[in-house]
Amino acid sequence: DAGVTQSPTHLIKTRGQQVTLRCSPKSGHDTVSWYQQALGQGPQFIFQYYEEEERQRGNFPDRFSGHQFPNYSSELNVNALLLGDSALYLCASSGGALAKGNEQFFGPGTRLTVL
Amino acid sequence: AQSVTQLDSHVSVSEGTPVLLRCNYSSSYSPSLFWYVQHPNKGLQLLLKYTSAATLVKGINGFEAEFKKSETSFHLTKPSAHMSDAAEYFCVVRVSYDKVIFGPGTSLSVIP
Repeated sequence: DAGVTQSPTHLIKTRGQQVTLRCSPKSGHDTVSWYQQALGQGPQFIFQYYEEEERQRGNFPDRFSGHQFPNYSSELNVNALLLGDSALYLCASSGGALAKGNEQFFGPGTRLTVL
Repeated sequence: AQSVTQLDSHVSVSEGTPVLLRCNYSSSYSPSLFWYVQHPNKGLQLLLKYTSAATLVKGINGFEAEFKKSETSFHLTKPSAHMSDAAEYFCVVRVSYDKVIFGPGTSLSVIP
């Protein structure tokens, strides 16, 4: 089992550009959550996908959007990049609701640098 | 407001001495609490979780945490620190059915 995988590992973009990050969940998992971790801070929840729909959303602007595919993999898209979007973007998957005691498994992250 | 506070941004201990990482939470939801560890250039790993069973929770690598409702605390401890324990530690609280929030993190240094 490969666990949660993310691609690419590193990415450099310039202000105003658009970026797409990808995540494959752990085998058997159907829920994917995305987090942004700025340097020296804890991860901040962006949104969660389940059954190909956005189920929950954190306090992030509409420039952040996502998608989940039938195979449960997911993409995070960020438009009109700002310098402040530079961060480690983490994907987490779970095999059911956290409220039922299920655990989130995290990928290694994608390091995005905006110049 | 729902929140999680980690009282120390950095903790330094000598190898072989006890570790205490402090966490206080605020949640109007039935609390589920977690501790995660993040080693440099590695993903977040779950150390332990509390989900309303026993208040003393044992995790991996000798870590444990005690849920104290009266103090709204969930401090992480380990009797004897090892060099490999040096990492960033995050206290996490579930704030809705399927959403969690992370604390700001505590950086643990272990001195040989």
